[in-house]
Amino acid sequence: KAGVTQTPRYLIKTRGQQVTLSCSPISGHRSVSWYQQTPGQGLQFLFEYFSETQRNKGNFPGRFSGRQFSNSRSEMNVSTLELGDSALYLCASSLLSSQETQYFGPGTRLLVL
Amino acid sequence: AQRVTQPEKLLSVFKGAPVELKCNYSYSGSPELFWYVQYSRQRLQLLLRHISRESIKGFTADLNKGETSFHLKKPFAQEEDSAMYYCALSPNTGANSKLTFGKGITLSVRP
Repeated sequence: KAGVTQTPRYLIKTRGQQVTLSCSPISGHRSVSWYQQTPGQGLQFLFEYFSETQRNKGNFPGRFSGRQFSNSRSEMNVSTLELGDSALYLCASSLLSSQETQYFGPGTRLLVL
Repeated sequence: AQRVTQPEKLLSVFKGAPVELKCNYSYSGSPELFWYVQYSRQRLQLLLRHISRESIKGFTADLNKGETSFHLKKPFAQEEDSAMYYCALSPNTGANSKLTFGKGITLSVRP
């Protein structure tokens, strides 16, 4: 089985811009979660999608949003980028829920200048 | 609210020495607990979870509900164990639950 893929792998944006990141889960997995990883805060949960619905949300501002498509692929969007949004964004998929083993993608490294 | 605390950021040991990576959690119910590992230039991956009670790559972790801990242990460290280790918790409340990670600890095993 192919693993979780994320595109793009690297991204440079400037403050105020918006960005869309994409995640393709393992075939058959219906739960997709997004995390922000930074040296200071570690891994922080952004949100989880299941069957095209946001099922859980972390403590991030409304500038962070996401969606999931019928094929379980997911996108996350960050609007009005701030310098502090620079981070590695990880996507993880699991069969049904976050209580199961999460399979992580390689991440998208976002740099906001 | 659920919380995972990994009190140390770095642990450096010599090959063959015992290893204990500490993890404490805060959650009022019965959680699912995990250890994830990230080797250099590799993806974050599951090492073990308490429900399966397995030993993976020589590592074990015991859930101590009294002390709310889930420490990861290995009797004899190997150089290939050098990696970043994250403890994580998911409430046992069905599908509608989220995974919370600790801040991670870097394990360095010297030859």
